[in-house]
This record gives sequence, C-alpha cells and structure tokens, in this order.
Amino acid sequence: DQQVKQNSPSLSVQEGRISILNCDYTNSMFDYFLWYKKYPAEGPTFLISISSIKDKNEDGRFTVFLNKSAKHLSLHIVPSQPGDSAVYFCAAVSSNTGKLIFGQGTTLQVKP
Amino acid sequence: EPEVTQTPSHQVTQMGQEVILRCVPISNHLYFYWYRQILGQKVEFLVSFYNNEISEKSEIFDDQFSVERPDGSNFTLKIRSTKLEDSAMYFCADRAGAANYGYTFGSGTRLTVV
Repeated sequence: DQQVKQNSPSLSVQEGRISILNCDYTNSMFDYFLWYKKYPAEGPTFLISISSIKDKNEDGRFTVFLNKSAKHLSLHIVPSQPGDSAVYFCAAVSSNTGKLIFGQGTTLQVKP
Repeated sequence: EPEVTQTPSHQVTQMGQEVILRCVPISNHLYFYWYRQILGQKVEFLVSFYNNEISEKSEIFDDQFSVERPDGSNFTLKIRSTKLEDSAMYFCADRAGAANYGYTFGSGTRLTVV
C-alpha cells in the first residue's frame, strides 16, 4: 500500500544550487502534505506543510509546490547548504484520521 | 521549543521477552502517535491515541502491542513477546494542536531483538 511515493532514493547537489525533492501520492482524500527532515539517530523534524487548497507555500529557503491534478508535490531548497544534508520524507494526512502516511525518503547530500 | 522525550534510546532484548518503550509528550496534549521505522524503510504508522483511548491502529499493531498512559503524563508502547522482525526505531509523536499537522516527534528508541 504505497499511497505516498518518493521515487528518488538519493540526490546530490552542490552548495548554493537548488535542491528539488519530489513526491507522488494516490489518495485524493489527503488534506495536508508535509515535508520532514531526518538525521540519523533522531526523530523526523517538521519542515514545511501545504494545504490541499493551495499550490505553493514558502518558508525562507524552503518552498513546497503542490500539483493536485498530477497528485505530485515537490520541495525546493534554495540555496542548498551542507547542513541540509539529511533524509527528507514526504508525508500526507487526511483530517478525518490525523495519521501521517510517509514516503520512503530521499537522502540529500549537499557538497561544499 | 517543546520536546517529546523517549526512553530508553536503545533497548536490546531477547526474542520472546516483553519490552516497554516510554514517551513523555508535550504536557496537556491529547493526541499521540507511535510510528516505527525498520532500518532502510519508511516511517510507518502504528497507533493513534486520543484522550486516553486508541483511536486508530494499523495492521502491524496486533495483539502483541498495547499502549497506555498509566499516570497521565508518560505514554508507553508495550510489545508483549518480541520477535526478530520487531527490531526497528520506534518514534512517539505529539500532535500538539498543530493545525498544519506538523507533529513533534521524539528522538526514538532503537529496539534490537536478538
């Protein structure tokens, strides 16, 4: 049951450039979509979210884009920094259950 | 920033033994969750707990699992008879009233069943 998919297991970018992480979903009932960042031996840390009624949400260097017709969202990090190197999880939730459904994660490496 | 605290950070147990994983959520909140992550796999939902009752559980959360809030603050996950495949990171999460569903996760307990 893969309702949320991240098809790229890893991504490597140069410091200062843009990182684009992608996520696809199948369930039209999701109300919110989120991105979490995870370092080894730590819990996921909330980064940014977007409501299903919006198509863009921006917070500093992080922007999430939602394309509902394609059931696709992406996280843009500009400019990328070495400290951004981590595993990024896409997640989705429907408000009637409140449980997060996670993708498999994408490991981002930002090279100095 | 409010934190969710989990103990122990690492637990090694023999197959068939009972384990109790503990979580201290952000105080006075009502919605809590347990998730787990088997090494190299995605974070999976186990159970949600609202107002001292289970509100939803996944297929993984079988009769070997139970959750409690024994003293109104600590929130525990018990695995009655551990199996090798229970080896994973277990995360407690607090909804903390987040309107955007940006739940706060604890740092996790690494459970190793040998």
